[in-house]
Amino acid sequence: GAGVSQSPSNKVTEKGKDVELRCDPISGHTALYWYRQSLGQGLEFLIYFQGNSAPDKSGLPSDRFSAERTGGSVSTLTIQRTQQEDSAVYLCASSQGGTGYGYTFGSGTRLTVV
Amino acid sequence: TQLLEQSPQFLSIQEGENLTVYCNSSSVFSSLQWYRQEPGEGPVLLVTVVTGGEVKKLKRLTFQFGDARKDSSLHITAAQPGDTGLYLCAGEGRRDDKIIFGKGTRLHILP
Repeated sequence: GAGVSQSPSNKVTEKGKDVELRCDPISGHTALYWYRQSLGQGLEFLIYFQGNSAPDKSGLPSDRFSAERTGGSVSTLTIQRTQQEDSAVYLCASSQGGTGYGYTFGSGTRLTVV
Repeated sequence: TQLLEQSPQFLSIQEGENLTVYCNSSSVFSSLQWYRQEPGEGPVLLVTVVTGGEVKKLKRLTFQFGDARKDSSLHITAAQPGDTGLYLCAGEGRRDDKIIFGKGTRLHILP
């Protein structure tokens, strides 16, 4: 596609429920990243996929968070048993990979856990 | 752990004034990027600098990468209300393509 597409754009969920956030990257981009942005804060790295390599999961805050990327394209970030501190904007980005290539971000999913 | 410190955190100035935003680290980066983010949107890439000492210009915006590739600055000449937004610097690690972000400078240009 022309840009990175994320869905849903907004999600309100009850504490304890599971949520799935979707990211559709730019066609041909081999690298895909998930970041989290809390109110007034910078971007917190969550997970990174590069081609067929094992993902870098070093930023996932707990084992309630997981992500997968199917067929080297669409990615889903799953948060199980959501907590109020999970409320944030979840941003997905894709890149051609390699040094010096910037990211193209989606508009994010605003997650609110009530 | 690599960290990027941005300063100032907040800046509110009058239209027409000049300003400089700084991004500093003790780590060396392969490249450094600047993004601008508006409310409800994802960050948008403004520029990537790769070579130590490199200077890039984008209209009224001038970006510089430090000689040691540890720091960068963004200078805006004659700021306009349309420059208002959150400016984020991001450094690309030397061992992988993962990018870490500073916390950003929130810029507000008063008409």
